[in-house]
Amino acid sequence: SAVISQKPSRDICQRGTSLTIQCQVDSQVTMMFWYRQQPGQSLTLIATANQGSEATYESGFVIDKFPISRPNLTFSTLTVSNMSPEDSSIYLCSVEKEAGGKYEQYFGPGTRLTVT
Amino acid sequence: GESVGLHLPTLSVQEGDNSIINCAYSNSASDYFIWYKQESGKGPQFIIDIRSNMDKRQGQRVTVLLNKTVKHLSLQIAATQPGDSAVYFCAEGGVDSSYKLIFGSGTRLLVRP
Repeated sequence: SAVISQKPSRDICQRGTSLTIQCQVDSQVTMMFWYRQQPGQSLTLIATANQGSEATYESGFVIDKFPISRPNLTFSTLTVSNMSPEDSSIYLCSVEKEAGGKYEQYFGPGTRLTVT
Repeated sequence: GESVGLHLPTLSVQEGDNSIINCAYSNSASDYFIWYKQESGKGPQFIIDIRSNMDKRQGQRVTVLLNKTVKHLSLQIAATQPGDSAVYFCAEGGVDSSYKLIFGSGTRLLVRP
């Protein structure tokens, strides 16, 4: 498995500001992902954080709104820019690791963001 | 902690009974299916997975069934315990060997003592 931590665990921010969320994993991983979970809903993939190159964004998500960094194989950040109340969500980091010849995704505890 | 799944369908079971949580997946080309458990204030936790070349897989107190004909996945929990109370998500992946997961809408399981 993998031990994943996220900072901050929660925050309340004013609209128009930006927040950077950090994700740290206890071992080197190739694949790191960022998901959004809106209140009462399921998880939606925002982007794949690639080490050494630009992140790969899913449809509906753009780099200007959600810039991502991946400076090494154990760390990534997601920034939520120019926030509006619609950005209020849980933001989750996940990693993919090999386990018994197959790959499994493990999730961090999430960052609960409230935008006022 | 904050609750997840305020607006999700809810399954209420008596402690000790078996639970069956169902999921309809979207892509017939998906090769890989996973069940996750999410407790309040926590990230999803891997429970069990199954590949498309199987129709059943058993773990500790859990069984996953896959019916590719109707694109249906189920999670059976034997002798449900209060600690099983959580929101359960199915996820599908492996399309074109992709690592991407698509999550289902989730079901909240409540275990009555």
